[in-house]
Amino acid sequence: DADVTQTPRNRITKTGKRIMLECSQTKGHDRMYWYRQDPGLGLRLIYYSFDVKDINKGEISDGYSVSRQAQAKFSLSLESAIPNQTALYFCATSEIASDTQYFGPGTRLTVL
Amino acid sequence: GQQVMQIPQYQHVQEGEDFTTYCNSSTTLSNIQWYKQRPGGHPVFLIQLVKSGEVKKQKRLTFQFGEAKKNSSLHITATQTTDVGTYFCAGPRRGATNKLIFGTGTLLAVQP
Repeated sequence: DADVTQTPRNRITKTGKRIMLECSQTKGHDRMYWYRQDPGLGLRLIYYSFDVKDINKGEISDGYSVSRQAQAKFSLSLESAIPNQTALYFCATSEIASDTQYFGPGTRLTVL
Repeated sequence: GQQVMQIPQYQHVQEGEDFTTYCNSSTTLSNIQWYKQRPGGHPVFLIQLVKSGEVKKQKRLTFQFGEAKKNSSLHITATQTTDVGTYFCAGPRRGATNKLIFGTGTLLAVQP
């Protein structure tokens, strides 16, 4: 969905490096999410935020941190990247009154 | 913990054949959503079912929500090459609002 953008779209980095993935949305949604996708495992929730002052851990938050800089911006950081964090990362948004989520185009991250 | 499984994990069909994917939850769901992810793309919302036994159609796609609200299915009649992709079901996480748990996904390949 063009209303949710992610940068970068692809990133190759080395073990131990700090990486930040950024997500911006123009949908005006309060709720934002970060997922990672691995083959055969579906989409797993890393962190989520229901408004600017709210940050919550998902099911696989270890090794990750997030920042909600504004209603429209939610960034994901890997403080010290490791190879098993190689995956496809998606940002998503939703309205308060709905469970439906709108995904960004994804960031393919490779950690060597 | 709460789990949502899908079968099959992968299916290859000839164009024109029918296709069905099944979604099974370990817990009762208040609603079920279906998403489609094209190869190289991001998940896109297709539909939401809320009522027990509900059936909804979108052209060649038929979605069902089980009577016990623990399972769902997506049936595609006369597949086309444009149907290629991974289909995910998703339901609300137990005890949480605006948080989804995604199924493991079914990858559909359609041979012309």
